[in-house]
Amino acid sequence: GAVVSQHPSWVICKSGTSVKIECRSLDFQATTMFWYRQFPKQSLMLMATSNEGSKATYEQGVEKDKFLINHASLTLSTLTVTSAHPEDSSFYICSARRAGALLLDNEQFFGPGTRLTVL
Amino acid sequence: GIQVEQSPPDLILQEGANSTLRCNFSDSVNNLQWFHQNPWGQLINLFYIPSGTKQNGRLSATTVATERYSLLYISSSQTTDSGVYFCAVSRLDTGRRALTFGSGTRLQVQP
Repeated sequence: GAVVSQHPSWVICKSGTSVKIECRSLDFQATTMFWYRQFPKQSLMLMATSNEGSKATYEQGVEKDKFLINHASLTLSTLTVTSAHPEDSSFYICSARRAGALLLDNEQFFGPGTRLTVL
Repeated sequence: GIQVEQSPPDLILQEGANSTLRCNFSDSVNNLQWFHQNPWGQLINLFYIPSGTKQNGRLSATTVATERYSLLYISSSQTTDSGVYFCAVSRLDTGRRALTFGSGTRLQVQP
């Protein structure tokens, strides 16, 4: 149980185009999903917290108009990188927390990631 | 925010050797998870261990919450154990459920 998928697993696009990445919880519902970014040989950095049915909360320094997040259902969150540029090339990973988990239970489950290359 | 430090940053082992990875955190936490990131980037959940000791096969973990550290033990290492090991924490009373990651320990197990 607790499987999270991401689609696509990799994408190459031209500078100026938009790319949408999907994150799905396959066997559980998730009221909260998180989006992280990882540059080569670095750790994961939180970009935003996505709550079902409400606006995402972005970390300082992350442009909300550039990285659009939608969490329209309890099993799906999407990240759209708008007008992508080469500096947006990175590994994007989502995670999810089970809906209905006990208050102190904050275990999170991660998707396999999406590798974005902007030419 | 919470600071997470992992040591050592890099580790090279011969197959069959044992190792201990350490995670120190700067404040009390409610959640601590250990992950293994494989060569394709997938984060594999190893342990959810805000306190206490757990074992799963050749791996075990101990978190001493009062002293703000956690240890991951790998016994009889195999080449498939290679990759990056991350410790990540969160503290719920900050209202923040997102995980803060350490910088990782890069493990290479040689045959």
